[in-house]
Amino acid sequence: KAGVTQTPRYLIKTRGQQVTLSCSPISGHRSVSWYQQTPGQGLQFLFEYFSETQRNKGNFPGRFSGRQFSNSRSEMNVSTLELGDSALYLCASSLEGRPLSDGYTFGSGTRLTVV
Amino acid sequence: AQKITQTQPGMFVQEKEAVTLDCTYDTSDQSYGLFWYKQPSSGEMIFLIYQGSYDEQNATEGRYSLNFQKARKSANLVISASQLGDSAMYFCAMREGGGSYKLIFGSGTRLLVRP
Repeated sequence: KAGVTQTPRYLIKTRGQQVTLSCSPISGHRSVSWYQQTPGQGLQFLFEYFSETQRNKGNFPGRFSGRQFSNSRSEMNVSTLELGDSALYLCASSLEGRPLSDGYTFGSGTRLTVV
Repeated sequence: AQKITQTQPGMFVQEKEAVTLDCTYDTSDQSYGLFWYKQPSSGEMIFLIYQGSYDEQNATEGRYSLNFQKARKSANLVISASQLGDSAMYFCAMREGGGSYKLIFGSGTRLLVRP
């Protein structure tokens, strides 16, 4: 079956612009999480959605937002881009996120470069 | 505070030999899950193995096994019979119970397998 699909794979944006990243989870998966990966900060949790509701949010400014649609696809938006937002953004999906062993399957990520 | 520590930034191993990647964690929860992921240069995070805090047996998945020492709060990954394709970044991650849906990642270990 198809894995987690993230689009686009690469993106170059200018400071001050906004960007929208997309994630299509594995069919049947209803939980979608987003992570930011940078060389300096490593992998950091952004937020998690289940049935169109945000259940968990990481420590990121309000410029970072997300949403989930009724078909479980998710988007994240970053407004007023800063150079420090350059990162690999990873999306992960799971059936429901419960129990603890519920596996997370990651996509290949979107590499965002802010210039 | 919850934290994952991986003290080996980089490691070498000879092909066909076994290697152990270290991971220690800190949590005050009694219920938690520990994960290992592999990240090749393509960026995708590949799930390797899971260990629950209440699991009495060490987890195994093919050539991967997890050396779980609860009292020492360590969850080391053992890769047996290393292959060239094992060269990648390896991340240890933890998820706490009690309604948390986020993974906390360590800083990772870069493994290079020598022919």
